[in-house]
Amino acid sequence: DVKVTQSSRYLVKRTGEKVFLECVQDMDHENMFWYRQDPGLGLRLIYFSYDVKMKEKGDIPEGYSVSREKKERFSLILESASTNQTSMNLCASSRVDNSPLHFGNGTRLTVT
Amino acid sequence: GQQLNQSPQSMFIQEGEDVSMNCTSSSIFNTWLWYKQEPGEGPVLLIALYKAGELTSNGRLTAQFGITRKDSFLNISASIPSDVGIYFCAGVTPLGDNDMRFGAGTRLTVKP
Repeated sequence: DVKVTQSSRYLVKRTGEKVFLECVQDMDHENMFWYRQDPGLGLRLIYFSYDVKMKEKGDIPEGYSVSREKKERFSLILESASTNQTSMNLCASSRVDNSPLHFGNGTRLTVT
Repeated sequence: GQQLNQSPQSMFIQEGEDVSMNCTSSSIFNTWLWYKQEPGEGPVLLIALYKAGELTSNGRLTAQFGITRKDSFLNISASIPSDVGIYFCAGVTPLGDNDMRFGAGTRLTVKP
C-alpha cells in the first residue's frame, strides 16, 4: 500500500511566522501535490511537482512556495503566515500522469 | 478551470437506505474518481473510472462514468453507520498535465 506521511497533524502558528509543512511518500511516485481544503470549497491545488527540483503553480499558489529536493519529499512553505491560510492542507502523490492520487492524512494549520 | 458541480451537498439518511450522489460539468473528462474522507483523515480512493459508459462496483458502492463524459454518479446500497464521511468526485481533463478537478463534496450522515 502507498503511504503518504505528513509530519504534523495539527499546527498552530502566529501571523508572520515562516511555516514548513512536510510530506513524504514511500512508493517512488514521480508526482506530488499540495492541496488546500476548506468547507464548501472542496480541494484546491496549491502547487505540484513532476520531478525533483521541479514545481508548477496550481490554482491558488499565492502566499505559498514549495521545495522538492528529493523524490520522496515535497515541502509546502508559507514565507509569512497569514490568518487566511488557516485551513486543512493535504499532500498527495501519484505514479504517472492522470493516475489516481494517494493522500496523506492532512495537516490542520491554524494561524492566529 | 473547469468546474465540477457535486450534489447533494449533504445527506441525512437512515441506516439501510440507499444513497445516490452525482457530479456534473460543462466540460468533458477522461477519468472520473470517487474518494471518501473520514473525519481527521485524508481522502481515500473508492472507485476509478476510465471509459465513458463504464459501470464499476466496489462492494456496496457502484459508480458510473457518464456516456457524455461530463458526469458521474456514485450509489451506495444498504448504508451502514461507517459509511459516514465526505464523498468527493474528481475528474481529470483531457488537457493532461495532471489537471484534476474536485467537487465540493457530499457530507453523508447515517442514523442507526
